[in-house]
Amino acid sequence: GQNIDQPTEMTATEGAIVQINCTYQTSGFNGLFWYQQHAGEAPTFLSYNVLDGLEEKGRFSSFLSRSKGYSYLLLKELQMKDSASYLCAVKDSNYQLIWGAGTKLIIKP
Amino acid sequence: SQTIHQWPATLVQPVGSPLSLECTVEGTSNPNLYWYRQAAGRGLQLLFYSVGIGQISSEVPQNLSASRPQDRQFILSSKKLLLSDSGFYLCAWSVPGLAAGELFFGEGSRLTVL
Repeated sequence: GQNIDQPTEMTATEGAIVQINCTYQTSGFNGLFWYQQHAGEAPTFLSYNVLDGLEEKGRFSSFLSRSKGYSYLLLKELQMKDSASYLCAVKDSNYQLIWGAGTKLIIKP
Repeated sequence: SQTIHQWPATLVQPVGSPLSLECTVEGTSNPNLYWYRQAAGRGLQLLFYSVGIGQISSEVPQNLSASRPQDRQFILSSKKLLLSDSGFYLCAWSVPGLAAGELFFGEGSRLTVL
């Protein structure tokens, strides 16, 4: 079966750095997405990785290793507004998105 | 620019009542359209997707149905709601034929079935 694993919840301190991991087992791979979802709201797109390596976008970076079936989202200089759930999703060989359950990130002052 | 809207935002319905959620997209043509359901602590579950008018693919067997009467309109319906239909429903669109294309989500509709 297809599976996306990410931690259920993480806590970090304002101003710090946090890394949210995602491991996947899918039938084929056509890219990995990270979305941010604030409580009660819709997900919004953060990043897309299809090749191995690090993609940097401001305070957020996303890394991919296809051979390991692994990705992480790195958030720097954490702000209170970064408190949200972070969803990892992989496009399989049929270009269908397989979603993880999300990681709830709690930022403390 | 492209926008997507869905409504209603919140609804409380009794078991056995009908359901209709509507979604419209503006500023793009022939989008791929999707209906997802999100249950607490679980990943997004794809319910239906559509690549064109009248073309609907169902991903899970259920008492829900979808229709696409116009290019940028997507409707989720049920004739008789079940308690298990409660959840957060999300409509989304993506650029057709683009493998790397991300999803753009509507605001979401929270359904509570009592």
